[in-house]
Amino acid sequence: QKEVEQDPGPLSVPEGAIVSLNCTYSNSAFQYFMWYRQYSRKGPELLMYTYSSGNKEDGRFTAQVDKSSKYISLFIRDSQPSDSATYLCAMNSWGKLQFGAGTQVVVTP
Amino acid sequence: GAVVSQHPSWVICKSGTSVKIECRSLDFQATTMFWYRQFPKQSLMLMATSNEGSKATYEQGVEKDKFLINHASLTLSTLTVTSAHPEDSSFYICSASPSGGRNEQFFGPGTRLTVL
Repeated sequence: QKEVEQDPGPLSVPEGAIVSLNCTYSNSAFQYFMWYRQYSRKGPELLMYTYSSGNKEDGRFTAQVDKSSKYISLFIRDSQPSDSATYLCAMNSWGKLQFGAGTQVVVTP
Repeated sequence: GAVVSQHPSWVICKSGTSVKIECRSLDFQATTMFWYRQFPKQSLMLMATSNEGSKATYEQGVEKDKFLINHASLTLSTLTVTSAHPEDSSFYICSASPSGGRNEQFFGPGTRLTVL
């Protein structure tokens, strides 16, 4: 079993809809949780960084962490075609990141 | 802030030659830098962790004599692919973690290597 599980998708949504992404993990030592966005043939871009259970909001993005359930989520409100990308969750306790497989998101006009 | 650059962005080389890829943190100091490899439609695979002024730590299965890593300063790490072969063709991405206790990793734009 992988330490971090993420559905690879693809996830297709119409423009303006809410995109809902999630990851589960098995290692209770993980303390820091990140979401990255990666466009094709580009490096990942850090979207959200959290280190405690609860919600964190930044513009159209909301990250949720539930350490008791070992479950993290990313919500994208008012999705745009430019949000079409692969979204990777990542987490660690320190040092090396453990990545999810990445979910491909397609926002259709 | 937190910008990481890589050079070159793409390179084509002949089999048997060596290729050097540079990773720079432009607006912060990075005690630790990481090198990843990514195959099409797959997630990132960590190759090695480099700490400024010390030897890199390689992941299991990564040949340290083939993938030479140097982290000579707090803003620069280099990856040299020695005696490259077609199977080394891939997308190589570096990341940098700011000094001072912060845990995030900021990624460079990646380097696409094609070995003929």
